[in-house]
Formats: sequence, C-alpha cells, structure tokens
Amino acid sequence: GENVEQHPSTLSVQEGDSAVIKCTYSDSASNYFPWYKQELGKGPQLIIDIRSNVGEKKDQRIAVTLNKTAKHFSLHITETQPEDSAVYFCAADLDSSASKIIFGSGTRLSIRP
Amino acid sequence: DTEVTQTPKHLVMGMTNKKSLKCEQHMGHRAMYWYKQKAKKPPELMFVYSYEKLSINESVPSRFSPECPNSSLLNLHLHALQPEDSALYLCASSQKWSSGGYEQYFGPGTRLTVT
Repeated sequence: GENVEQHPSTLSVQEGDSAVIKCTYSDSASNYFPWYKQELGKGPQLIIDIRSNVGEKKDQRIAVTLNKTAKHFSLHITETQPEDSAVYFCAADLDSSASKIIFGSGTRLSIRP
Repeated sequence: DTEVTQTPKHLVMGMTNKKSLKCEQHMGHRAMYWYKQKAKKPPELMFVYSYEKLSINESVPSRFSPECPNSSLLNLHLHALQPEDSALYLCASSQKWSSGGYEQYFGPGTRLTVT
C-alpha cells in the first residue's frame, strides 16, 4: 500500500529564513499531494496542494515542488514568520480511484525570533 | 466559506457512557470523513460517507458507530469506549469521494478523554 515518508521530524529556523520539508511516496499511481498546517489545539488546515500534471505551485511565501520520477515532493516556506510555527503534514492520495489520502508523520516547525 | 464545525470541543466520558460527536458543513460537500488523531501522530482515517452512504470503514471497532442523517451532518456515536480511545476526533469534508483528489477541509476536532 501507499507509504508517505516525511523529513525532518523537527525543524527550527531563524525568523526570515527559509524552511524546507521533504516527502517521498511509494505509489506511482498517486496524483494528488496536499500539505496541511496544524496549530496547537486546532484541526489541520489545507495550505497548498499540487497535482501530478504540475511540477511546481506557488502561493505567496509558500511553494510546493513535485518530482514524479523520483516520487518526491517538497514544501518551501520563504521569509518565515512566528505564525508559521506549527506541525506540517504532507499527504498523497492512495490511488487514483478515490479521495483517500495518506499522511506523512509530520514536521514540527519552530521559528526562532 | 470553508468551515467545518464540530461539537463538543471537549468531552470526558466513562467507559460505560454513551455519547455522540457532531459535525456540520454547509459547503455543499457530498463526502464527509471521521479521522482519529493521537498526540504527535498524523490523522488516521476511520470512516468515509459519500452521498450519505458509508463508503469506507477502516476496520474500526463497533463501539464507534457513524451516522450521516443528511448531506450537511455527520455524527459519531460512542459506546463502551476504552481509555486508549482517548484522542482528537476530526471531521472533514470534500466536494466528492472519487478520483481526482478533492481537497479535504477539516474541523477543529473534539478532544475526547475516556476515564
């Protein structure tokens, strides 16, 4: 079955610097890759997603890249701010027949002032 | 509006109690989900409803009983739970349950403690 690995598990960056979180997936049939941000005491919030027909997508300070050949996708956050501190989950759809997604293990991002 | 609401926010129940969790969305979504999330872990899928019919049950114990009374509401009935069932229970919805990878929007969750 689909397996999604996420690294690193914790990440601490200086405010204003960039943060990169990487994920790999195992099922070559996966076509949809969302990223979620979860703040303490809240539910996961969809922040950006990418589909297999696109290599890169950007939304203000957040970008996601996808390498289907290598089965890698990454989240890039530039000019980090204190409010970016949270747990980030990558995910991939299990197969192309339904909307079931499998989550990575999560990355706890801390922004140092 | 991409809001999914859940009640209650917190719930403490004994192992012999019966309680229910509620979830509501008004985005016109036709797929609704229950997830369970333990501390420092990702959400784990429990159930999926598509067009008010149960489509997926991820081998969840029968002490958890889902119900979808209409396209906007999703309930999770709890009975004879165990302490290890203590977790954050998340509801989510998406436009559809089908190929194409539809965005799932999550509610804030119900923090459940079983004593």
